[in-house]
Amino acid sequence: DQQVKQNSPSLSVQEGRISILNCDYTNSMFDYFLWYKKYPAEGPTFLISISSIKDKNEDGRFTVFLNKSAKHLSLHIVPSQPGDSAVYFCAAFDSGGYQKVTFGIGTKLQVIP
Amino acid sequence: DAGVTQSPTHLIKTRGQQVTLRCSPKSGHDTVSWYQQALGQGPQFIFQYYEEEERQRGNFPDRFSGHQFPNYSSELNVNALLLGDSALYLCASSLAGGGSSYEQYFGPGTRLTVT
Repeated sequence: DQQVKQNSPSLSVQEGRISILNCDYTNSMFDYFLWYKKYPAEGPTFLISISSIKDKNEDGRFTVFLNKSAKHLSLHIVPSQPGDSAVYFCAAFDSGGYQKVTFGIGTKLQVIP
Repeated sequence: DAGVTQSPTHLIKTRGQQVTLRCSPKSGHDTVSWYQQALGQGPQFIFQYYEEEERQRGNFPDRFSGHQFPNYSSELNVNALLLGDSALYLCASSLAGGGSSYEQYFGPGTRLTVT
């Protein structure tokens, strides 16, 4: 049972344009949502988070939007840069239950110069 | 500020053997979680250690065991290795009870190959 779903395995975007990565979840108990970025041969790096009581969180070029009713979140990167090329994992956390992070399978983003 | 470190970087073992992977958490962190990432998949939670005890466990068999030491470092042990255990093993550290306990910091991982 995949509780966090990333349905797009890959995405290509031109440098300077917006990248939008999408994620859906099924478990209503999740109260924090996270995005991680992973380069080859490195561990995932925490990027940005959002609490379930918010619908938007912004950090520089990165903005995460949460639609609780649709159980959907998205990560916007504006403007996209070649250094953003990596695998992006959507993840979720249930602070009241298992203290674990549940990951999606990732979306590979390629930013074309 | 030292981040999460893992050793070894790569490991090749034969089916049926046993392996031990090591992790040192980020300075100031007291909780260590282990994940298995198979090729093309997201990290899958194995278990979490806090105060030297296993606090949570994912859907992994008893062949997977762990330990946390008083200095918060941790080991992951896998017995009777199977070909399917070949994966990247990630260690993540966090601070329990903090307002951001969901923010886990990952090490670079140990690539285990079972032949």
